[in-house]
Amino acid sequence: GAGVSQTPSNKVTEKGKYVELRCDPISGHTALYWYRQSLGQGPEFLIYFQGTGAADDSGLPNDRFFAVRPEGSVSTLKIQRTERGDSAVYLCASRSGAGAGELFFGEGSRLTVL
Amino acid sequence: AQKVTQAQTEISVVEKEDVTLDCVYETRDTTYYLFWYKQPPSGELVFLIRRNSFDEQNEISGRYSWNFQKSTSSFNFTITASQVVDSAVYFCALGGFYNAGNMLTFGGGTRLMVKP
Repeated sequence: GAGVSQTPSNKVTEKGKYVELRCDPISGHTALYWYRQSLGQGPEFLIYFQGTGAADDSGLPNDRFFAVRPEGSVSTLKIQRTERGDSAVYLCASRSGAGAGELFFGEGSRLTVL
Repeated sequence: AQKVTQAQTEISVVEKEDVTLDCVYETRDTTYYLFWYKQPPSGELVFLIRRNSFDEQNEISGRYSWNFQKSTSSFNFTITASQVVDSAVYFCALGGFYNAGNMLTFGGGTRLMVKP
């Protein structure tokens, strides 16, 4: 498709398990972002990639969270030892180049930790 | 630190009414960007507008208009003659002008319900 694709759309897991969320950005977009949106709140920045490297990971809440983008396209957000407080919608967005152009968002991956 | 406040958590109007969504921001930057995004039930954030801080000219796009007041740090969004399809959560966001990554700081959102 032409938009940002995120899988899975829904993920239910148990406390303590490991989870991977995938983002496939718009083809050719070099900038990729992960945001987390808790119920009833606005999205909160987690990490930003320019190409393959994480240019800013200051939003990651702790070392249980990690993200990669090995080939500069698809990105995976990895959460270890999940906690109930990790339950949220994880949004991915991409943009062409640097600067302040429009961000294109995916529909998100809803994570529920029981 | 940057902060965006959307004081109205939920607004309910009847179709064809005009409605204004408020947004107030805080930033130490002298130049910055402001955005509005729409989030329908599908969950995907849809870009509506971007404004530069050095351009205070108001903008109109169809039934949508935006009022940027730098003196009061506000960037309000008005929908004229609202329609049921306007029902969604609307987010105001702030981005750094010189921040190459342009990470956005979002407000808490305003849920707009337009009733027929």
